[in-house]
Amino acid sequence: AQKVTQAQTEISVVEKEDVTLDCVYETRDTTYYLFWYKQPPSGELVFLIRRNSFDEQNEISGRYSWNFQKSTSSFNFTITASQVVDSAVYFCALRRGAQKLVFGQGTRLTINP
Amino acid sequence: GAVVSQHPSRVICKSGTSVKIECRSLDFQATTMFWYRQFPKQSLMLMATSNEGSKATYEQGVEKDKFLINHASLTLSTLTVTSAHPEDSSFYICSARVLFEREAFFGQGTRLTVV
Repeated sequence: AQKVTQAQTEISVVEKEDVTLDCVYETRDTTYYLFWYKQPPSGELVFLIRRNSFDEQNEISGRYSWNFQKSTSSFNFTITASQVVDSAVYFCALRRGAQKLVFGQGTRLTINP
Repeated sequence: GAVVSQHPSRVICKSGTSVKIECRSLDFQATTMFWYRQFPKQSLMLMATSNEGSKATYEQGVEKDKFLINHASLTLSTLTVTSAHPEDSSFYICSARVLFEREAFFGQGTRLTVV
C-alpha cells in the first residue's frame, strides 16, 4: 500500500523566516513519482514539483527547495525567506506510474507579517 | 502547463436535488480524468477515475449511483451528485491527464453546499 505522511498539521512563522515542510512516504514500488502542491485559500491546486524515484538530486527554484532522500523515504520542502503570499495548505503526494495520486494530509502554513 | 476548467466554482442547492459539475480540458485531449473530494481542512480523496468512452472506476466506499461520472469526450467529464444531502457538501476537484503523459492538471474546484 502507498501512504504519505505529513506530520505537521499547521506551521506558523514570521515573515522572512525559513520553513521546512516534512513529507514521509511509504511504497513497495521501485518506480514512483513524488509531488508537492500548493492550495491557496481560493482552493485550486498549484503544481510545484514532480520528482521521480530515480532522481535524488535536490532541486532549487527561487526561494523553494526540495530534499529527496530515498534512504529515509522523505521528500521535504523548504521555503527560504518566507513571504505572506506563501500562506497556503501544502500537499505532498505519491504516484505509482500512471496510477492515482495519494495525498498526504496537508500542512497549513501561515506566514505572519 | 495545460488548462483544466471546472464549472461552476460554487453552487448551492437544495437537499434532494441533483447537481452537475463539469470538468473541461481546454487545450489538450484528456484520456483520463480524476475526481477528488475534499472536506474542510482535510486531504483530497480520490472518488473515481474515468477514461474516455468507458465506465468510471470508483474507489471503495464511493456510491456510484449517487456520484454519476460521465466522460463522453476527450475534453469533458461531468460529475453529477444525485439527490444531494447536506453531508455531500464538500469541495470537489477534477484533474485531467493525457495518456502516457506524466502530469495531471487540476481544475479550480467546485464548492458544493447543500442546504
